[in-house]
Amino acid sequence: SAVISQKPSRDICQRGTSLTIQCQVDSQVTMMFWYRQQPGQSLTLIATANQGSEATYESGFVIDKFPISRPNLTFSTLTVSNMSPEDSSIYLCSAVSGRAMPDEQFFGPGTRLTVL
Amino acid sequence: AQSVTQLDSQVPVFEEAPVELRCNYSSSVSVYLFWYVQYPNQGLQLLLKYLSGSTLVKGINGFEAEFNKSQTSFHLRKPSVHISDTAEYFCAVSERTGRRALTFGSGTRLQVQP
Repeated sequence: SAVISQKPSRDICQRGTSLTIQCQVDSQVTMMFWYRQQPGQSLTLIATANQGSEATYESGFVIDKFPISRPNLTFSTLTVSNMSPEDSSIYLCSAVSGRAMPDEQFFGPGTRLTVL
Repeated sequence: AQSVTQLDSQVPVFEEAPVELRCNYSSSVSVYLFWYVQYPNQGLQLLLKYLSGSTLVKGINGFEAEFNKSQTSFHLRKPSVHISDTAEYFCAVSERTGRRALTFGSGTRLQVQP
């Protein structure tokens, strides 16, 4: 299995600022994803983090608002830009390990973001 | 594209009673099926998954699920619940090929009462 850590675990931010969330996996993985879980709701895929190239965003999410980097096979960042209270959510990183069959998806503990 | 419907947003049940959490899905391609659990203030944990073969899948903590292709359902069951099973349960699907991202249902909150 893959163990995923995220930093920070939580943060309280002011409107208009930006926050970068880090995701670290303890082994090389084939795919990494970022999800958002708004209060009391389910998880929604933001984007697929592609190693060495631009992320693939889902409908409703754009690079200017949620820039993502993935410089190598074990690390990715998600930035929430120009935040508003509507961005208050839990942001989760996940990874698919190529060694697990059939590519079980593991989740990080999440980053709980509150925007004032 | 896929979609997942969890028919019950909340399920209250007494301790040691059986429980079933319902999940239906739709997809134009073949999918894998999953159930995840999220305990309060914790991350997601995989309960079980259906890949192929036997339609009855056993997972952790005494949970099992049955895949019904004709009804496009993947209901989760446990014969006797414990207080510690109180959590949010998510049904999810992913494509068998391609990007493997998960599409989640809206979740079912299982509340086990003494």
